[in-house]
Amino acid sequence: DGGITQSPKYLFRKEGQNVTLSCEQNLNHDAMYWYRQDPGQGLRLIYYSQIVNDFQKGDIAEGYSVSREKKESFPLTVTSAQKNPTAFYLCASSSPRGGSFHNYGYTFGSGTRLTVV
Amino acid sequence: GENVEQHPSTLSVQEGDSAVIKCTYSDSASNYFPWYKQELGKGPQLIIDIRSNVGEKKDQRIAVTLNKTAKHFSLHITETQPEDSAVYFCAASPPKLSFGAGTTVTVRA
Repeated sequence: DGGITQSPKYLFRKEGQNVTLSCEQNLNHDAMYWYRQDPGQGLRLIYYSQIVNDFQKGDIAEGYSVSREKKESFPLTVTSAQKNPTAFYLCASSSPRGGSFHNYGYTFGSGTRLTVV
Repeated sequence: GENVEQHPSTLSVQEGDSAVIKCTYSDSASNYFPWYKQELGKGPQLIIDIRSNVGEKKDQRIAVTLNKTAKHFSLHITETQPEDSAVYFCAASPPKLSFGAGTTVTVRA
């Protein structure tokens, strides 16, 4: 079955550490996204990529970095510069139609819960 | 950018009753309005969407209405069942897909 796989499901980070969250999709989607979810705040966009080797900052990119070396993969690194990284992180993908990447439903992964210890 | 507001933040309904969630958006250029359902510990799943060229769309017990003039859209769930208990998010685009803060729906047996 096609879908998006996020790993790990749970991740613990010590203060000052960088950690990388994995996101892989086999849907042949061009665009991939990273969202952060905090209670009562909905989903906030961190980074997105519409094509391999290109990505754009979202609304809350500070303290995060991404790469898009392959169409199927869009890993997110939470750096030590992110002061409040404890959250639920969601990866999504979509395929453009009619020239727009944002006008069609996204497919989400199951998320990674990151906790600072 | 787009600002999407969603109400209520929590909703408790008796099984068999209807549930209504309302959202407003700020950008008049938005023309795509999806709704997502998120169960505990899982990622959101698209349950229904509507585009600005229609005012209402229905899929079994779920319906969405759109009022472009007032810039608001609503999700209606009829004959609610326990499996409808989840967090529901509305969203709007373009520009980028912007999400509401979510509504936690609890269906009481």
